[in-house]
Amino acid sequence: DAKTTQPNSMESNEEEPVHLPCNHSTISGTDYIHWYRQLPSQGPEYVIHGLTSNVNNRMASLAIAEDRKSSTLILHRATLRDAAVYYCILRGWSGGGADGLTFGKGTHLIIQP
Amino acid sequence: SAVISQKPSRDICQRGTSLTIQCQVDSQVTMMFWYRQQPGQSLTLIATANQGSEATYESGFVIDKFPISRPNLTFSTLTVSNMSPEDSSIYLCSTDGTVWDGYTFGSGTRLTVV
Repeated sequence: DAKTTQPNSMESNEEEPVHLPCNHSTISGTDYIHWYRQLPSQGPEYVIHGLTSNVNNRMASLAIAEDRKSSTLILHRATLRDAAVYYCILRGWSGGGADGLTFGKGTHLIIQP
Repeated sequence: SAVISQKPSRDICQRGTSLTIQCQVDSQVTMMFWYRQQPGQSLTLIATANQGSEATYESGFVIDKFPISRPNLTFSTLTVSNMSPEDSSIYLCSTDGTVWDGYTFGSGTRLTVV
């Protein structure tokens, strides 16, 4: 699996935007970029995913570099409930059976009130 | 997306015993996955369970230690056998997603072996 690199931790203030970076320089053409987050004492939660174009949903936005070697998860207005570990994961899609996800260490996001 | 009910949510077990963890999905899914999350660490994939075939285990995990059942498209179990304190972890199940959505995870089973 292609590897992703994320900062170990980031800190932001409540009600401000947060930009979480992810580098994936060895991404292949069929790899989707997935983001998950894990709140304390919970299982991971799907946030957003994309292939080439920027994506928006009710939780966040995903900005993908033109060469796809990096991406940024954007939380438009952070709340205390957004404090979690955020994982950037590449998921290949061959159209056949799915593979399990390979989790890196993720970014521990701290939100200050 | 699917909803997963995982139980037990936590347990404290004696070394040498076994614990079976159950995951029930509210819809039929092709693949289910089992993960381990050791204290302070990220998730590690244990095995993939496809209904109607034997589970596929990742390097470092063996069927004798972590037998898995997948009797139908909505249910799977993971057994942690002959437990030792090193097995103390959170165990999570997951279903796969489609091209349009992500994977869904259970809430996890926090296992403590004493």
